[in-house]
Amino acid sequence: EIVLTQSPGTLSLSPGERATLSCRASQSVSSNNLAWYQQKPGQAHRLLIYDASSRATGIPDRFSGSGSGTDFTLTISRLEPEDCAVYYCQQYGSSPYTFGQGTKLEIK
Amino acid sequence: EVQLVQSGAEVKKPGESLKISCKGSGYSFTSYWIGWVRQMPGKGLEWMGIVYPGDSDTRYSPSFQGQVTISADKSISTAYLQWSSLKASDTAVYYCAREFCSSTSCYNVIFDFWGQGTLVTVSS
Repeated sequence: EIVLTQSPGTLSLSPGERATLSCRASQSVSSNNLAWYQQKPGQAHRLLIYDASSRATGIPDRFSGSGSGTDFTLTISRLEPEDCAVYYCQQYGSSPYTFGQGTKLEIK
Repeated sequence: EVQLVQSGAEVKKPGESLKISCKGSGYSFTSYWIGWVRQMPGKGLEWMGIVYPGDSDTRYSPSFQGQVTISADKSISTAYLQWSSLKASDTAVYYCAREFCSSTSCYNVIFDFWGQGTLVTVSS
C-alpha cells in the first residue's frame, strides 16, 4: 500500500501570498496518477487537480499541481480568504487507492 | 446541477445491520461510477469501492472486500452502502461521490462531485 504523507499539517498565510503544499509517497506513484481535493468547512469535497498537474473543470488557474514519482506539490498563488480549507492528495496509480491525511490551510 | 444527496445520520448498536443511501440527480445516473469513501473520527479519507449503476458492476478496495456491500438501484438513481453486522470500528462519516470525467477520459477512481456525508455511529 502506498502511504501518502502531506506537509505541513497546518499552514497559515495571508491573502495574496503563495501556498505550497507537499504530498510525498512511500513509493513511486504509477503514471503520476495523483489528485488533489479541497474541503471547505461545511462544504463537499471538490476535485482540484488530477494526473498530478491537470486542473479539473472550473478550477481557477491560481491552483496548480506539479511533481512526479514520489514528490508532488499543490501550489495556490494569490491566496484568497475563500481558500481556507483542508487539502487532500490521493494516489490512484495502484490499488488500494490511498489519501494523504490532509493539510489545513488557514488564511490570516 | 449535479447533486448527490445522502441519507441522514444513523446511530446503531454493534451487530445490527444498516443500509445508507446516496441519491443522484442532475446527470445520467447510469453513466457514471459512484464511489464510497470513509472518514473515521479524526482520520483521513479511505477509498472503499465503486459501483456502476448502469450494470451494477462493483469493485472493492481489498480492506473493505467482504466487510461492506455496495449496490445501486438505477430505477431510483440511488446507490447504497450496507453492513450486515456493524462494529464499533465502523463509526465514521461515509461519503458517496461521482467519478470524474475530463473532456477525454473518465477516471472511476477519483471523484468530482461528492455527497454531504452520512455519520454512522456504532455504540452499545
